[in-house]
Formats: sequence, C-alpha cells, structure tokens
Amino acid sequence: GDSVTQMEGPVTLSEEAFLTINCTYTATGYPSLFWYVQYPGEGLQLLLKATKADDKGSNKGFEATYRKETTSFHLEKGSVQVSDSAVYFCALRKNQGAQKLVFGQGTRLTINP
Amino acid sequence: GAVVSQHPSWVICKSGTSVKIECRSLDFQATTMFWYRQFPKQSLMLMATSNEGSKATYEQGVEKDKFLINHASLTLSTLTVTSAHPEDSSFYICSASLLTGELFFGEGSRLTVL
Repeated sequence: GDSVTQMEGPVTLSEEAFLTINCTYTATGYPSLFWYVQYPGEGLQLLLKATKADDKGSNKGFEATYRKETTSFHLEKGSVQVSDSAVYFCALRKNQGAQKLVFGQGTRLTINP
Repeated sequence: GAVVSQHPSWVICKSGTSVKIECRSLDFQATTMFWYRQFPKQSLMLMATSNEGSKATYEQGVEKDKFLINHASLTLSTLTVTSAHPEDSSFYICSASLLTGELFFGEGSRLTVL
C-alpha cells in the first residue's frame, strides 16, 4: 500500500541554522505531496504542496521539490526561527478517487534561540 | 483560511462509558469529513470518511460499532467512542474538505480512558 516515511525526530537546531527534514514515499501512479505543520495547541495546517514531478512548493521560507526519481519530498529552510518550532508531517494523496491523505509519522522540530 | 473546531479538546472518562467528540466547520460547509487517530510518536491513521447524510466509510481494521460516526449536517460530524477502554486512549483529529478538495484540520481531541 501507499506509505510515507519521514526522518525520525526530535530535531533540535539553533536559530538561523539550515533545516532539512527528509521524506520519502511509496505509491503507485502520481500522487500529490504535502507538508503540514502543527504548532502547539493548534490543528494541522497546510505548509506547502506539489502536484507533479519536479514541482517545487514553497511557503514561509520553506521549500520542497517533488522528486519522482528518488520518490522524495524533502523539506528545507535556509534559516530557521524559534517560531518554526512545531511538528511537521509529510503526506501524499492520490490524484484520483478518494481525498484520503496518507501521513508520515511526523517530525518534532525545536529551535533554540 | 477555513476553520475547523473540535470539542472537547481533551476528555477523561471511565472504562465502559461512551464519549462523543464533535467536529465543526465554522465558516464553510463540508460535504466530506475525515476522522484520524494518532498514537504517540506515530502517524495519523485514517479511521473513516464521513459524508453528509450517508453512512461513514470505515478503513480496514476500524470497528464501526466501536467508533460511531454521524454526519448529520454540512457543518457537524461526531465521533462516539462506545464502551471505551484504556486502549482507546489516543488523540483524535478531524478534517473537513472544501469542494475544491482542500482540507482543513481541527485541533484534535485527546481521550484518556481510565
């Protein structure tokens, strides 16, 4: 079946450090890929998405590129801030049929000042 | 963006009792809502897909008589955990879908069964 694998956390960085959170997926066909973020006490929010190979999603300084050859969608940010501390979820959704999302296990990120 | 609210945000109950969790779309009508369950340090697992006015579609391995889902209106879906036991303790999250397919998530409800 379809699955998403994220790097295990927690991840702790200093402010202004470079961030990479790895995400790889297994799926038939051509799914859409997403990164969601969950800030403390809040619901999941869509951070960015990409719907086809080589697309780059970006938002709030975060970027991720849909790499079909490596089945990856790694999340990156050049300079993290304390306010980026949250749990990040990688997810996929088939483009046909149900709107079901398949999530990775989440990666907790803590940024220290 | 659209707002989805869950209530209660946390609940503690005794084993054998039933607990109802509400999921509301506050500023839009959601024809489809999804219920997820999240175990500590694990992924969100889809439990069921709920369509307004019809029976929910449960994922394999999810007991429909244990987790009753009702989607009586375009803005409200409820999840009732019947005869709860400690192993039902978890974080339950709902999401609601716009017609465009965009999804919005509630803040989650933490259930602890003693």
